Amino acid sequence: DTGVSQNPRHKITKRGQNVTFRCDPISEHNRLYWYRQTLGQGPEFLTYFQNEAQLEKSRLLSDRFSAERPKGSFSTLEIQRTEQGDSAMYLCASSLGTGDYEQYFGPGTRLTVT
Amino acid sequence: AQSVTQLDSQVPVFEEAPVELRCNYSSSVSVYLFWYVQYPNQGLQLLLKYLSGSTLVESINGFEAEFNKSQTSFHLRKPSVHISDTAEYFCAVSDHGNFNKFYFGSGTKLNVKP
Repeated sequence: DTGVSQNPRHKITKRGQNVTFRCDPISEHNRLYWYRQTLGQGPEFLTYFQNEAQLEKSRLLSDRFSAERPKGSFSTLEIQRTEQGDSAMYLCASSLGTGDYEQYFGPGTRLTVT
Repeated sequence: AQSVTQLDSQVPVFEEAPVELRCNYSSSVSVYLFWYVQYPNQGLQLLLKYLSGSTLVESINGFEAEFNKSQTSFHLRKPSVHISDTAEYFCAVSDHGNFNKFYFGSGTKLNVKP
């Protein structure tokens, strides 16, 4: 399967703990996106990368959140000092960039903060 | 920033009946428009997209959507639904000026009954 993959698929953590999620995009895609989806809502944009450069961050991405894409391939999203309000599905997507505009989504990582 | 409205959170319909899922967006700037579908326990999959050209776009499984600039709408239709169309449908919009940032509606759950 050459689609976008995300690990882990589920994560349960206690409030105050740090968590890290990984996203592996489609191999030839140079753009990578992170979204958050809460129950009953559509995905909300968090940030995106072109290769290794993080080009835009949403105001939703508080100081406790950090995303990296060190070699322009996989990406990690870390949440420090988790809060119950961080409970959500975290989605990763990738795209070729110009010409197509379609974003291909991974299955998501469901985070539950207890 | 765009705002995307999907007024119907749930649409129940009988098999073989027609269906329309509504999507309106807020800004009249040049946009790209997408419909994504999410089957239970699966990731978002692109159903169809409008980038330019003909305002009527079609998917391979019989859905179609029409871009209406004056009404800032991109409603999704299917003349005859099947049980397998049961899923959640999300409308997404991006601006030509920042096509990387997708704005999603809150989704419409289509429930096709036998």
